[in-house]
Amino acid sequence: NAGVTQTPKFQVLKTGQSMTLQCAQDMNHNSMYWYRQDPGMGLRLIYYSASEGTTDKGEVPNGYNVSRLNKREFSLRLESAAPSQTSVYFCASSRDETTVTGELFFGEGSRLTVL
Amino acid sequence: GENVEQHPSTLSVQEGDSAVIKCTYSDSASNYFPWYKQELGKRPQLIIDIRSNVGEKKDQRIAVTLNKTAKHFSLHITETQPEDSAVYFCAARDGGTSYGKLTFGQGTILTVHP
Repeated sequence: NAGVTQTPKFQVLKTGQSMTLQCAQDMNHNSMYWYRQDPGMGLRLIYYSASEGTTDKGEVPNGYNVSRLNKREFSLRLESAAPSQTSVYFCASSRDETTVTGELFFGEGSRLTVL
Repeated sequence: GENVEQHPSTLSVQEGDSAVIKCTYSDSASNYFPWYKQELGKRPQLIIDIRSNVGEKKDQRIAVTLNKTAKHFSLHITETQPEDSAVYFCAARDGGTSYGKLTFGQGTILTVHP
């Protein structure tokens, strides 16, 4: 039981390049999320998927797209990377967005640098 | 939308002392308040949470208190140990959104000196 797995763990991009962060969970969770972590700003929600087949914008969605490929997988795509997207990205999942127990299970994070 | 302010940004204590981290939130409809701990280079992990119908919750050396009237909640760690050193995040969920769609505070770097 690996929990939430993200790839890659580290990536350096040049401005304008594109890339996709992959995330998979093996806990049979319905809901999945992408957060970014920047110093002094906490964790900010980029996009989330309440259930398979649905996606919604979070607090900071500009410059990103997502795909909920199936119940297990939720990817984040940067179409044209900008230096402002330099950050640590965390994928997370929760059992169900409507359950009382709202614990988020995070992946190990992906450190992205855009030059 | 919800806004969560967390203080202090850094906190340094001696082993055995208590540590208190405070958060305020803006949306009176918020009803769920978790705390996450992130050790250096690791993922955030839930350590305790509280719902709006409860005023206080304890789990061994950690406790969380909630004041709905004042819209603030606090994390209390007693008898701190070096392994408590980490970044702590508070969060709030407003009543109309999913449990995972949380608004996080800015984080507090806690350092416990042996």
